[in-house]
Amino acid sequence: ETGVTQTPRHLVMGMTNKKSLKCEQHLGHNAMYWYKQSAKKPLELMFVYNFKEQTENNSVPSRFSPECPNSSHLFLHLHTLQPEDSALYLCASSHAGTGGAYEQYFGPGTRLTVT
Amino acid sequence: GQQVMQIPQYQHVQEGEDFTTYCNSSTTLSNIQWYKQRPGGHPVFLIQLVKSGEVKKQKRLTFQFGEAKKNSSLHITATQTTDVGTYFCAGDQTGANNLFFGTGTRLTVIP
Repeated sequence: ETGVTQTPRHLVMGMTNKKSLKCEQHLGHNAMYWYKQSAKKPLELMFVYNFKEQTENNSVPSRFSPECPNSSHLFLHLHTLQPEDSALYLCASSHAGTGGAYEQYFGPGTRLTVT
Repeated sequence: GQQVMQIPQYQHVQEGEDFTTYCNSSTTLSNIQWYKQRPGGHPVFLIQLVKSGEVKKQKRLTFQFGEAKKNSSLHITATQTTDVGTYFCAGDQTGANNLFFGTGTRLTVIP
């Protein structure tokens, strides 16, 4: 499946580094999402963008900074992370709109390790 | 805040046995979705339920949405090794498509 791509697939970074995760969707969707998946917690919704506007910030620490320049691209900028931020970061996209629910298509994820 | 719990957390079955996972929300849901994540993979959408009491079938999989729209179940008949993975329910409270995922049930099928 190549509908939603994420780069890099694996990332190791120190706590003082700055890095960015990239997500691109080729499905014509208008909503994009960042999720965090760690071993001991359920899939956690981090950010939601609808039509390039951020509509949800699920109490995410400011060391995670999202950016959505257009409906096809989503970034997650990382700086001064902590070891507990090590996890699989998943991007997803869907059609957008309220009053309805749309299936979400996930990318393969970026496996992040913070040392 | 909204919480979506699933039980069991793990399930090991012999190939050919049935399997059921249950999903319970602390709040009434607008709709519920089910996803499957294979080991090393990413979640893949299976189905969406919207109506109270709704039942949907996909081959050996049967999905049910509770009358109060606070719980759901997924039942697999005669499991196969291809059913291995983690099954997640995901609830949407507001209809804004902000999904809260359940804790997941990891299914192992023993040949």
